[in-house]
Amino acid sequence: DIQMTQSPSSLSASVGDRVTITCRASQGISNYLAWFQQKPGKAPKSLIYAASSLQSGVPSKFSGSGSGTDFTLTISSLQPEDFATYFCQQYNSFPITFGQGTRLEIK
Amino acid sequence: EVQLVESGGGLVQTGGSLRLSCVVSGFTFSSYWMYWVRQVPGKGLEWVASIKPDGSDKYYADSVRGRFTISRDNAKNSLYLQMNSLRAEDMAVYYCVRKNYFDYWGQGSLVTVSS
Repeated sequence: DIQMTQSPSSLSASVGDRVTITCRASQGISNYLAWFQQKPGKAPKSLIYAASSLQSGVPSKFSGSGSGTDFTLTISSLQPEDFATYFCQQYNSFPITFGQGTRLEIK
Repeated sequence: EVQLVESGGGLVQTGGSLRLSCVVSGFTFSSYWMYWVRQVPGKGLEWVASIKPDGSDKYYADSVRGRFTISRDNAKNSLYLQMNSLRAEDMAVYYCVRKNYFDYWGQGSLVTVSS
């Protein structure tokens, strides 16, 4: 199984900040990497697929990069609605696996 | 508008069975791989099962293989998850999800397993 390791597990930031979350795969997954945002009590929401492609309707403040084993999600100009938990997911092979999540909190 | 609506969750005893359903609309269901993903409240996400558009191929997580069965009825735009021999560790919110990079999710259906 491909292990997905996200860092940090939690992050405190202020409104207006730019933050970066990292996801590392235990083996190469090409660009089969997606990012999700989840708010309490809600289903995850797709942000990024194919490592860097923005899902329709998602603001351009969200961006993804990487290939192979190392990936990043960057969120610029944080707004109150961006404080949530973020997950990465690899879909290169079964079993599909997720990172453990990064909780983004307001400082 | 793409919509996925799960139903069928609830309280079941250890060893019991439950069948989840997911009715979709707003897209051509028969063209897409579909998935079930679960999440213990407050915890991480776990892929459970996947099914090919025509239902001919199915994949399962090791944790549920042999106990859970994924199926679909393309004429009814519906996805199913038959869960047998339920265990305490199966207790979670179950999501119906479209496509391999999970572009659309249902609202989730809570399964509670009690001894």
